[in-house]
Amino acid sequence: GEDVEQSLFLSVREGDSSVINCTYTDSSSTYLYWYKQEPGAGLQLLTYIFSNMDMKQDQRLTVLLNKKDKHLSLRIADTQTGDSAIYFCAESQSNNDMRFGAGTRLTVKP
Amino acid sequence: DSGVTQTPKHLITATGQRVTLRCSPRSGDLSVYWYQQSLDQGLQFLIQYYNGEERAKGNILERFSAQQFPDLHSELNLSSLELGDSALYFCASSVGAGGAYGYTFGSGTRLTVV
Repeated sequence: GEDVEQSLFLSVREGDSSVINCTYTDSSSTYLYWYKQEPGAGLQLLTYIFSNMDMKQDQRLTVLLNKKDKHLSLRIADTQTGDSAIYFCAESQSNNDMRFGAGTRLTVKP
Repeated sequence: DSGVTQTPKHLITATGQRVTLRCSPRSGDLSVYWYQQSLDQGLQFLIQYYNGEERAKGNILERFSAQQFPDLHSELNLSSLELGDSALYFCASSVGAGGAYGYTFGSGTRLTVV
C-alpha cells in the first residue's frame, strides 16, 4: 500500500526552530496534514496544505511541500516546552481515507 | 473539547470478554472513523462509516465490528478480547466521505485487557 514515513524522534532546545520531515509515496495525494498529539489526548489538526501549494504559514508554523520529491515538512519557530508532543503527518486524496505516518516525538529541552 | 465524544475514557476487562466503545461525532459530521493506537503498531485505521453505511475497511479483525446509527453515533464492538488488543481506540469524524479538510479526533478510549 501507499506509505507515509517520518523519523521517530526529534529533540530541540527551547527557543530554537524545529523541523519535522515527512515523505509520502502516493503521487495522487491531494491533501497533506499535520496533527499534534499531546500525552493522553487525541490528535489535533494543526494545519493542512493542498497539493497545488508550496508553502503555508500560520503564526509559528510553516509547512513546506515539495511535490516532486513527495516531501512535506513542518517548521515550528521559537519552539516552546508546550510544543513537546507527537506530530503526525498524514495524506489523503479527495473523498478517500487518510493515511498517517508513525509520528515524530518532539522533545523540547529548557 | 474537539466536539467528538468518546465513552468510556478507560476500560479494564479480562481476556475473552466483549466490550463496546461509543463515539458521538462532531455536530454536522457524517463520517465516523475508528483507529487503534498501540505502541508497536502506531495509528491503525480500522473502519469508516459515512451516513450510516460502511464506507471503508482497514486492518479490522473479524472479532471486531462496528456500526453507525441513524443519529450518527457509532459503536465499536470488540469480542473475544486478547492481551494484544490493549490499546488506545480513537474515533474521528469529518463532514464528508473523505478527509478533505481533516478529521476531528476524540480523546480516545484506553482499553486494558488483563
